[in-house]
Amino acid sequence: QVHLVQSGAEVKKPGSSVKVSCKASGGTFSSYAITWVRQAPGQGLEWMGGLVPIFGTANYAQKFQGRVTITADKSTNTAYMELRSLRSEDTAMYFCARAGIAAHLSWLDYWGQGTLVTVSS
Amino acid sequence: EIVLTQSPGTLSLSPGERATLSCRASQSVSSSYLAWYQQRPGQAPRLLIYGASSRATGIPDRFSGSGSGTDFTLTISRLEPEDFAVYYCQQYGSSPLTFGQGTRLEIK
Repeated sequence: QVHLVQSGAEVKKPGSSVKVSCKASGGTFSSYAITWVRQAPGQGLEWMGGLVPIFGTANYAQKFQGRVTITADKSTNTAYMELRSLRSEDTAMYFCARAGIAAHLSWLDYWGQGTLVTVSS
Repeated sequence: EIVLTQSPGTLSLSPGERATLSCRASQSVSSSYLAWYQQRPGQAPRLLIYGASSRATGIPDRFSGSGSGTDFTLTISRLEPEDFAVYYCQQYGSSPLTFGQGTRLEIK
């Protein structure tokens, strides 16, 4: 059984950065894409980007290009999502999810518990 | 990008009834690369269906998916109390991945 455990809630100032981690256990970490999805309060799901650790190249939604970086550390089975130049509209729950295949274009079969990021002055 | 429109926005039904949720795409979803998720309050989404009609591991057979091209349906044959939640469709046939806005299934 695959488990994804994310880092804890964060409160950030506008203009700062946040880095959220997602540690995987069980299953094979490197062979499946790790995807980041966010959900603003009371809103729907929004894809931010994904990375297949064995390939190392991330794909990002155009909306977040230049502001987000997704990386993975294969030695610790941990993925990271860093979002920069934070603004109030970035206040959301951020989820990592494992794809069903080794590609970012996939269904998402395992999800982390979510990390709440609050951006406030 | 492919825009997914879910209907209805809210569906009010009673336990034991049948639920039919719709997801319409702005253009054809290649190879029926469409998934459905359930999200209960305060929880992460849970995968129900992928490939338009394949049930994910551990999902009860009262959940079924159908459709192709631009029109997809999630059917819950007999509603259980734990099925009242928000449901999202997602396409993964082309980048970017996109989700529908969700259908809220509430107890009547």
